[in-house]
Amino acid sequence: AQSVTQLGSHVSVSEGALVLLRCNYSSSVPPYLFWYVQYPNQGLQLLLKYTTGATLVKGINGFEAEFKKSETSFHLTKPSAHMSDAAEYFCAVKGRGNEKLTFGTGTRLTIIP
Amino acid sequence: EPEVTQTPSHQVTQMGQEVILRCVPISNHLYFYWYRQILGQKVEFLVSFYNNEISEKSEIFDDQFSVERPDGSNFTLKIRSTKLEDSAMYFCASSSGTVNQPQHFGDGTRLSIL
Repeated sequence: AQSVTQLGSHVSVSEGALVLLRCNYSSSVPPYLFWYVQYPNQGLQLLLKYTTGATLVKGINGFEAEFKKSETSFHLTKPSAHMSDAAEYFCAVKGRGNEKLTFGTGTRLTIIP
Repeated sequence: EPEVTQTPSHQVTQMGQEVILRCVPISNHLYFYWYRQILGQKVEFLVSFYNNEISEKSEIFDDQFSVERPDGSNFTLKIRSTKLEDSAMYFCASSSGTVNQPQHFGDGTRLSIL
């Protein structure tokens, strides 16, 4: 079974500052990990994914995440926040088959001008 | 880029009525999913569907729910007798079936039960 914990339901950062959204997972098998973004009244858009290989993965809109097995973490970062990054961010995990995604509770990111 | 489309975007229904939510997955995808998100809560898995049958379902997906792929393009979720607690955003997703490929989501249908 898999589970995801996102620390911080709300995160506020100043425009231009570093964005760090935390995600820790629990999985009985080597996991596939994902970050999705949800803008108001829209669906879930894939930001990036980790499956195998390089542990630092780059996604869209300047976001990246690092898979750290020893810490069971997959934190999302962006060096410089932009106003358009304001949204809800969901970390998700699944096992190695075509199984369901298990989502975290989400982190609402607010950008302060 | 191909996308998952869902209709309607908003559905308002009286409690006890049947509702059908429709989805058109990405055309070459083989695995289909329904998730829901109650307002202010996390996204929850309902059901997955492959090769014309349910491959997995959650405890939420009780006898009031059913899914169908009536033709080569549509994937539907039916709620037989809606309850107030069925009010939520319902998301359809599809994936190609290649194990390291992600699920692609539609924009959702907001279901409001009165």
